[in-house]
Amino acid sequence: TQLLEQSPQFLSIQEGENLTVYCNSSSVFSSLQWYRQEPGEGPVLLVTVVTGGEVKKLKRLTFQFGDARKDSSLHITAAQPGDTGLYLCAGHGSGNTGKLIFGQGTTLQVKP
Amino acid sequence: KAGVTQTPRYLIKTRGQQVTLSCSPISGHRSVSWYQQTPGQGLQFLFEYFSETQRNKGNFPGRFSGRQFSNSRSEMNVSTLELGDSALYLCASSWIPGGSTGELFFGEGSRLTVL
Repeated sequence: TQLLEQSPQFLSIQEGENLTVYCNSSSVFSSLQWYRQEPGEGPVLLVTVVTGGEVKKLKRLTFQFGDARKDSSLHITAAQPGDTGLYLCAGHGSGNTGKLIFGQGTTLQVKP
Repeated sequence: KAGVTQTPRYLIKTRGQQVTLSCSPISGHRSVSWYQQTPGQGLQFLFEYFSETQRNKGNFPGRFSGRQFSNSRSEMNVSTLELGDSALYLCASSWIPGGSTGELFFGEGSRLTVL
């Protein structure tokens, strides 16, 4: 069974601080995705990483896929209150399937 | 273009009742997946449909069922509701199963409360 472990589960920081969220597994994933979910809403896709060692940047967010495609990280620089939300990593095992395996999520609170 | 639409957004049922939730995917998307989200278990895969056929099913009891229509709209049904079925039920769509590189587009969810 493929599992994704996210850490930390909760993070409360001040505006302007940097943070990193980790997503780890003992299994290889063909791709990993990061979603952000706000209360009362569905998850919204932030990025998909597919190549081992890949780094993608989305404004102040940097996403990295591990060389072995078993782990990923999300780094936020100079966090803002608008970054507050639930961050979820999710992976596809293999093949074309709508079955995503989700991590438990990281609840981020950025205080002004 | 319009996103994934789920109805109803909120509903309250009592134990033993059944419920049907509806999902209209993004226009042109033919694959629909359903997920259950709870505080304790997070997001868990329920099932996936493509071209009216169930392609994958998660580890849920037979009380959970679904179907997809020829216009790609999907419904899921939960019978004999239990308190533990209280959750946010999320529908996600993609053009093909898993999208071009796995992208799924989620609706806002249907919040089910079982009393």
